[in-house]
Amino acid sequence: DAGITQSPRYKITETGRQVTLMCHQTWSHSYMFWYRQDLGHGLRLIYYSAAADITDKGEVPDGYVVSRSKTENFPLTLESATRSQTSVYFCASSGVAGAETQYFGPGTRLLVL
Amino acid sequence: SQKIEQNSEALNIQEGKTATLTCNYTNYSPAYLQWYRQDPGRGPVFLLLIRENEKEKRKERLKVTFDTTLKQSLFHITASQPADSATYLCALVRDSNYQLIWGAGTKLIIKP
Repeated sequence: DAGITQSPRYKITETGRQVTLMCHQTWSHSYMFWYRQDLGHGLRLIYYSAAADITDKGEVPDGYVVSRSKTENFPLTLESATRSQTSVYFCASSGVAGAETQYFGPGTRLLVL
Repeated sequence: SQKIEQNSEALNIQEGKTATLTCNYTNYSPAYLQWYRQDPGRGPVFLLLIRENEKEKRKERLKVTFDTTLKQSLFHITASQPADSATYLCALVRDSNYQLIWGAGTKLIIKP
């Protein structure tokens, strides 16, 4: 099906482990974004990408790594998970950053023990 | 720093009435503002975008206003229905890189 998908939907891991969250979109959108959503906070931008091989930091990038070798994929890696990274992670895409709507995936709920 | 405030308390509205949600911002003059709807366990879904030179935008039962002097946007749902119950998020463009900054959202509950 067309759209934006995330995997896994739920993940439990332990402190110090590496975790990769996957994001895939079928619209060939140029821009892709990773957000985290925590209770009482708005969505906070972790990283974004304007095109394949172009990525940039957002508001809260520390502890995260991204790559974008193909337009349709934008994985997010937690290099050494910490409890403070327990959150819901959303991937989004848009044709033109900000000037158009952002389309969100269903989210990944990550629990770091 | 830029800040967006939405009412953190849930808004309870009787079915059929108009629901009005508020989004206030400080320290910035955004070119446009967006409203999204988020249901539990799901990602946000885009509803409306309004630009700084537009005072009002409508889509079916939805209406958004944008007052750049007051630094405020109002989001209205007329003839509200229980299915309108959700959390509504506002977002402003942050800078020339078109990053969005988001409010924490207001939970709307429409009672039958």
